Amino acid sequence: GNSVTQMEGPVTLSEEAFLTINCTYTATGYPSLFWYVQYPGEGLQLLLKATKADDKGSNKGFEATYRKETTSFHLEKGSVQVSDSAVYFCALSDRFGNEKLTFGTGTRLTIIP
Amino acid sequence: DSGVTQTPKHLITATGQRVTLRCSPRSGDLSVYWYQQSLDQGLQFLIQYYNGEERAKGNILERFSAQQFPDLHSELNLSSLELGDSALYFCASSSRAGGTGELFFGEGSRLTVL
Repeated sequence: GNSVTQMEGPVTLSEEAFLTINCTYTATGYPSLFWYVQYPGEGLQLLLKATKADDKGSNKGFEATYRKETTSFHLEKGSVQVSDSAVYFCALSDRFGNEKLTFGTGTRLTIIP
Repeated sequence: DSGVTQTPKHLITATGQRVTLRCSPRSGDLSVYWYQQSLDQGLQFLIQYYNGEERAKGNILERFSAQQFPDLHSELNLSSLELGDSALYFCASSSRAGGTGELFFGEGSRLTVL
C-alpha cells in the first residue's frame, strides 16, 4: 500500500536559516504529492502540491519538487521566519482513486528569533 | 478560516461511553473525510462520504460509525470508548469525489477519555 516517510522532528532553527524537511514515499501508479501545514491550535491547511514528476510546487517561499526517480518530495525554504513555526505533513493521494490522503508522521518546526 | 466547522472543540468523557462529533463542510463541498490524529499513530484516515454515500473506508474501528446527512453535514459516532480513543478528530471537505487531494480541514474535536 501507499506510505509516506518523513524526517523525524522536532527541528529547531534560527531565523533566516535554510530549511529542508525530507519526505520519501512508496506508492503504486502516479500519486499526487502534497505538503500540509498545521499551525498551533488550527487544522491542517494545504501549503503546496505537485501532481506529476518534475513538477515544482511553491507557496509562501516554500518549494518542493516531485522526484520520481528518488521517490522524494523534500520541502525547502531559503530563509525561515518565526511565523513558520508549525507542524509540517507530507502526504500523497492515489491519483486515480479516492481523494483520501496518506500522511507522514509530521515534523514539528520551531524557529528561534 | 477553512470554512469547515467542527463541534464540539473539546470533549471529556469516561470509558464505555458514547459520543458524537459533528462536522459542517465548506459551502458546496460534497465530500467529507474524517481523520484521527494521535501521538502514537499520527494522522489516520477513517472514512469518506460523498453526497451522502460512503466512498472510502480506512482504519475505522467497528465501534465507530459515521454518516452524512442530506444537508451534507456529517457525524462521527464513537461508542464503547477506550482510553486509546483519546485523540484529535479532524473533519475535512472537498468539492470533488476524488483526484485533486486538496482538502480543507476543520480545527478538530479533541476527545479525552478518562
